Amino acid sequence: DADVTQTPRNRITKTGKRIMLECSQTKGHDRMYWYRQDPGLGLRLIYYSFDVKDINKGEISDGYSVSRQAQAKFSLSLESAIPNQTALYFCATSDFNSGRGDTQYFGPGTRLTVL
Amino acid sequence: GQNIDQPTEMTATEGAIVQINCTYQTSGFNGLFWYQQHAGEAPTFLSYNVLDGLEEKGRFSSFLSRSKGYSYLLLKELQMKDSASYLCAVSYTNAGKSTFGDGTTLTVKP
Repeated sequence: DADVTQTPRNRITKTGKRIMLECSQTKGHDRMYWYRQDPGLGLRLIYYSFDVKDINKGEISDGYSVSRQAQAKFSLSLESAIPNQTALYFCATSDFNSGRGDTQYFGPGTRLTVL
Repeated sequence: GQNIDQPTEMTATEGAIVQINCTYQTSGFNGLFWYQQHAGEAPTFLSYNVLDGLEEKGRFSSFLSRSKGYSYLLLKELQMKDSASYLCAVSYTNAGKSTFGDGTTLTVKP
């Protein structure tokens, strides 16, 4: 079984709809991240969480919100989706105390299309 | 800012050796990572460097010079399946989290 899972894997929605993307991990890591990736571009950080009570904005948090329901779960919400939020979304985890620094392990991604 | 610079694209021949460079700001450096990402898939971890020198792992090696703010990923005996994007990422002490470069798209030709 995959250590980091994302649901849904694909989603098509309409402008103005509220969307939630979910991420779960069985790695026992404290840190979790949400990124978006646009075609031909790098990863851009949306939000990150170093533990259940710690939530931080990344470089492109406008239009997004997150919830860290438990150590293993980190959800990303688009309150009112717009077409330029069409992208590939990745969740990632890391264990800073592993001796490998901030080595991140990524989920398979969610392809979101906003019409 | 904490800009991370790497070439946008590279092309190499199957069986050859290719070196992908990465430069970064040195202040507060706390570790450097290389990831491989095939088109449409998730990035996967390749290597971690925190001290100067070369780390070898099979056909892949990664080098770090902290004083120069420089790293490279060396891929030997290139195979077609090595065609992918290679992401350089750096973590800094003040932020704790990693900052990613835009990636280098490597195309391996027969």
